Amino acid sequence: EVQLQQSGPEVGRPGSSVKISCKASGYTFTDYVMNWVKQSPGQGLEWIGWIDPEYGSTDYAEKFKKKATLTADTSSSTAYIQLSSLTSEDTATYFCARKGTMGITEPYYFDYWGQGVMVTVSS
Amino acid sequence: DIQMTQSPASLSASLGETVTIECLASEDIYDILAWYQQKPGKSPQLLIYDASSLHTGVPSRFSGSGSGTQYSLKINSLQPEDFASYYCQNGLSAPLTFGSGTKLEIK
Repeated sequence: EVQLQQSGPEVGRPGSSVKISCKASGYTFTDYVMNWVKQSPGQGLEWIGWIDPEYGSTDYAEKFKKKATLTADTSSSTAYIQLSSLTSEDTATYFCARKGTMGITEPYYFDYWGQGVMVTVSS
Repeated sequence: DIQMTQSPASLSASLGETVTIECLASEDIYDILAWYQQKPGKSPQLLIYDASSLHTGVPSRFSGSGSGTQYSLKINSLQPEDFASYYCQNGLSAPLTFGSGTKLEIK
């Protein structure tokens, strides 16, 4: 059974960084691209970017290029997102989501999702 | 970037009714479109991919259609568990974009 288990809620001070994890199980981690999606309170879904765990290659939405850093540890089948220079606009739930087909080309659908991590930016 | 315009933003319906949600892409996405369902406090769940293919385990009362820039999600015979938010998603090219969502509420 495919599972994506994310780390717990985070509270970060303005200007600081937080790092969230997403541990994958039930499939070969390096076979599927991992995506990250942001959902601000009461709002819709925003794609942040993806990482190919096999090669470490990444792609980001323009607005997150200076905000998010995606990494992956193949030895533990865990993907990470680090959010830097936190502001109140970063307060949101962050989901990891597996690309539903192998490879980095289209189509990009998300067939399995983590449970989400709430990040709260507060002084 | 491909913009996804979803309508309506909210919808009120009764059990047993049929509802349709629309999604308009700013350019042709060649049927590479997905629909997700999200319940409060939960992660989104894939319902439909490739515009009309039902994801594993999704009830057959859900169906997707459309082509080019216009797509729709139809839910037949609404069940209590269907009252949730729904999102369309461009799966063709980055940046991957979602519609703004439709909140389906019970009348």
